[in-house]
Amino acid sequence: GQQVMQIPQYQHVQEGEDFTTYCNSSTTLSNIQWYKQRPGGHPVFLIQLVKSGEVKKQKRLTFQFGEAKKNSSLHITATQTTDVGTYFCSRTYKYIFGTGTRLKVLA
Amino acid sequence: DGGITQSPKYLFRKEGQNVTLSCEQNLNHDAMYWYRQDPGQGLRLIYYSQIVNDFQKGDIAEGYSVSREKKESFPLTVTSAQKNPTAFYLCASSIRGKDTGELFFGEGSRLTVL
Repeated sequence: GQQVMQIPQYQHVQEGEDFTTYCNSSTTLSNIQWYKQRPGGHPVFLIQLVKSGEVKKQKRLTFQFGEAKKNSSLHITATQTTDVGTYFCSRTYKYIFGTGTRLKVLA
Repeated sequence: DGGITQSPKYLFRKEGQNVTLSCEQNLNHDAMYWYRQDPGQGLRLIYYSQIVNDFQKGDIAEGYSVSREKKESFPLTVTSAQKNPTAFYLCASSIRGKDTGELFFGEGSRLTVL
């Protein structure tokens, strides 16, 4: 199938450390979205990337879309306990979600 | 306030029983989706609908059924044919046709089969 894979599956970091999750698609994507799901909550939209090589920033979060539009990454600088949750990427065709990366931040 | 309402939030059922999960939105979105999430797992697409009276199967449609008689409503029935129905079910909606709109999610329904 047209899968969207994410690595790592889990990540534990000390507060203040950086964190990166990677999203890889087996097919070229027209665009990609990122969502965050807090423990016990529902996914909330973070951002959408459309252009090849695009980089967008939201405060401590940096999102990148690969040149070939088959991969993307989310980088968090100096993690805080409020960053805890699962981060998903999603293709917008049928909105197929990646497998997610669960982030735990140790204070 | 505009949004998506799912009910019930928690549901228990016995094996062999059908159960229907409600999803209502007042965002005037054309497209609606149902996802299943298992503990520690990602989101898997069950069914989606891009317009009233039309819907398509997602990756794991077996054992589920849906209807889309009204734009605002997209109920999901978990039938007795679903072999492992215990999960967290999420409903979402988006603006149709743009293929770029963000998904808005409800708060989810947690189904437990006893």
